[in-house]
Amino acid sequence: KAGVTQTPRYLIKTRGQQVTLSCSPISGHRSVSWYQQTPGQGLQFLFEYFSETQRNKGNFPGRFSGRQFSNSRSEMNVSTLELGDSALYLCASSNRGRVTEAFFGQGTRLTVV
Amino acid sequence: QQQVKQSPQSLIVQKGGISIINCAYENTAFDYFPWYQQFPGKGPALLIAIRPDVSEKKEGRFTISFNKSAKQFSLHIMDSQPGDSATYFCAATFDNTDKLIFGTGTRLQVFP
Repeated sequence: KAGVTQTPRYLIKTRGQQVTLSCSPISGHRSVSWYQQTPGQGLQFLFEYFSETQRNKGNFPGRFSGRQFSNSRSEMNVSTLELGDSALYLCASSNRGRVTEAFFGQGTRLTVV
Repeated sequence: QQQVKQSPQSLIVQKGGISIINCAYENTAFDYFPWYQQFPGKGPALLIAIRPDVSEKKEGRFTISFNKSAKQFSLHIMDSQPGDSATYFCAATFDNTDKLIFGTGTRLQVFP
């Protein structure tokens, strides 16, 4: 069974640009959550989607947004990029929206220059 | 009140030794406490988890000890191996949600 797939793996963007990251969950999983990982702040929760509905949102500015499609694939978008947005963005999927069964992807490494 | 505090930040252990990582939380509504292991270039992987109605859970060389009254829990790695060298994160959450509150992480290095 294929794992959680995140694309692209690496990304370099310029300040002020916007970026879209993609996450394909494990087949059959309906829940997708996103995290930002930085050396200074560690792992921080961004959003959680279940059956196309946002169930939870972390404490991030409105520049961070996400969505989930009917096939459970999810995207997150960051607009007006800042240097501080440089991070590893991780996606996790689960079958019933329960963290006990969540599996993480390898992440997308975003560098803002 | 949503924080999870983790210590130490880094840990160096001899092969065969015991590695101990500690975490503390404040929100008594948390009802699930997982530990994740992360290798460089990989996403976190669930290692072991515990619920607050249990004081200890053991899976192979990995044991979680849970002290509900002190709001603390710890990971013990017995007979530590070089292959255990990774970053370990404790976390806390509420059931029926994927929102994990992570500790700050502990970088474990096990030397032969």
